[in-house]
Amino acid sequence: GQGVEQPDNLMSVEGTFARVNCTYSTSGFNGLSWYQQREGHAPVFLSYVVLDGLKDSGHFSTFLSRSNGYSYLLLTELQIKDSASYLCAVRDRGTGGYKVVFGSGTRLLVSP
Amino acid sequence: DPKIIQKPKYLVAVTGSEKILICEQYLGHNAMYWYRQSAKKPLEFMFSYSYQKLMDNQTASSRFQPQSSKKNHLDLQITALKPDDSATYFCASSQEGRGANTEVFFGKGTRLTVV
Repeated sequence: GQGVEQPDNLMSVEGTFARVNCTYSTSGFNGLSWYQQREGHAPVFLSYVVLDGLKDSGHFSTFLSRSNGYSYLLLTELQIKDSASYLCAVRDRGTGGYKVVFGSGTRLLVSP
Repeated sequence: DPKIIQKPKYLVAVTGSEKILICEQYLGHNAMYWYRQSAKKPLEFMFSYSYQKLMDNQTASSRFQPQSSKKNHLDLQITALKPDDSATYFCASSQEGRGANTEVFFGKGTRLTVV
């Protein structure tokens, strides 16, 4: 079936890095996005990838492997304020048009 | 200056009543969506509209009816409200098409509580 899977929680330490994994299954893959969501707020767009490989955007980098249905979001030089939920979203082109399906999100906790 | 306006921000409703959640986007996008998020739970896709036409409906209940009077409006009518309908409802939009930037922009949400 179709779905987007992420681990529920991730912990890391300030100044280091964190990798948020995402696996997906879809029939009409048309790109994958990452969003940051803080408690009680709407998701905020971080990155979009549609081609395989690593896309370096400084503090956030994203990797995609379409053949494996896998992506990760890499956060480097972590700060306490990076603590938030990170959502993986897959754009799927079905017979009814485009649909963006979100994973359940990974809650990242950055400790001092 | 918000580009996607949702009204109201907070809404309390009585079980069995009917409410309409308002959404207007000023980004010039051709696609609009509704998502629902219950407390501590994932974002759940409900509907997608493109050029004012329903493209996808993942909501099992007919109590949820999107309404699009203008291309930049997508309201959500909810009838016979139940306590389980309590959630934050997010309206979103994007520009779809070849070569388009597919970022989905979200409104700030309407937090609905059904008592």
